[in-house]
Amino acid sequence: EIVLTQSPSTLSLSPGESVTLSCRASQTITRGWFAWYQQKPGQAPRLVIFGASNRASGFPDRFSGGGSGTDFTLSISGLEPEDFAVYYCQQYESTAITFGQGTRLEIK
Amino acid sequence: QVQLVQSGAEVKKPGASVRLSCKASGYMFSAYSIHWVRQVPGQGLEWMGWIVGGTGETQYSEKLQGRVTISRDASATTAYMALSSLTSEDTGVYFCARRLTVAGYDYWGQGTLVTVSS
Repeated sequence: EIVLTQSPSTLSLSPGESVTLSCRASQTITRGWFAWYQQKPGQAPRLVIFGASNRASGFPDRFSGGGSGTDFTLSISGLEPEDFAVYYCQQYESTAITFGQGTRLEIK
Repeated sequence: QVQLVQSGAEVKKPGASVRLSCKASGYMFSAYSIHWVRQVPGQGLEWMGWIVGGTGETQYSEKLQGRVTISRDASATTAYMALSSLTSEDTGVYFCARRLTVAGYDYWGQGTLVTVSS
């Protein structure tokens, strides 16, 4: 199975700052079927980015996804209070879908 | 609007089985697959398997193969996930999600808490 490794595990930032989260895959994601999800406590995850760089409905343009092959990123410019959450990467290209372990974005 | 509504919380004893449901509405059930994902307390997301709404084709996680069974009643637009031989390590929140083939999981159920305890 494709192992996804996210870094860092936790980030402490202030509103207004910008951030880039990383996710590295153990094998090449050839078709770019790669997503990012946001999860807040007690809630189901929400799709943020799909196809590596396409923003899902409901998310503003301060969210952007990038990368290809084995290295992918999620960037958030000008953090708003509602952006502080856990973010998971996912590859849905292989039959065995896998998630990263998550990056917690917390308010400093 | 698209909705996935899951069944209520379950408490089971070790060794028992559990069956959860996921009622879909607001879209053509047969045109999408439903996936099941679980989250153990304080940990990340684990994919369990999927079922195609139209054909009933299934695929399971190797880790859970043999213990998990996903089925559906297309006429009731409902998917089911059964997990057998439960242990305390199966305690967690179980989600169903709709997969849009090239776009990941665009809609999720609210989650069902399963507690395994003697």
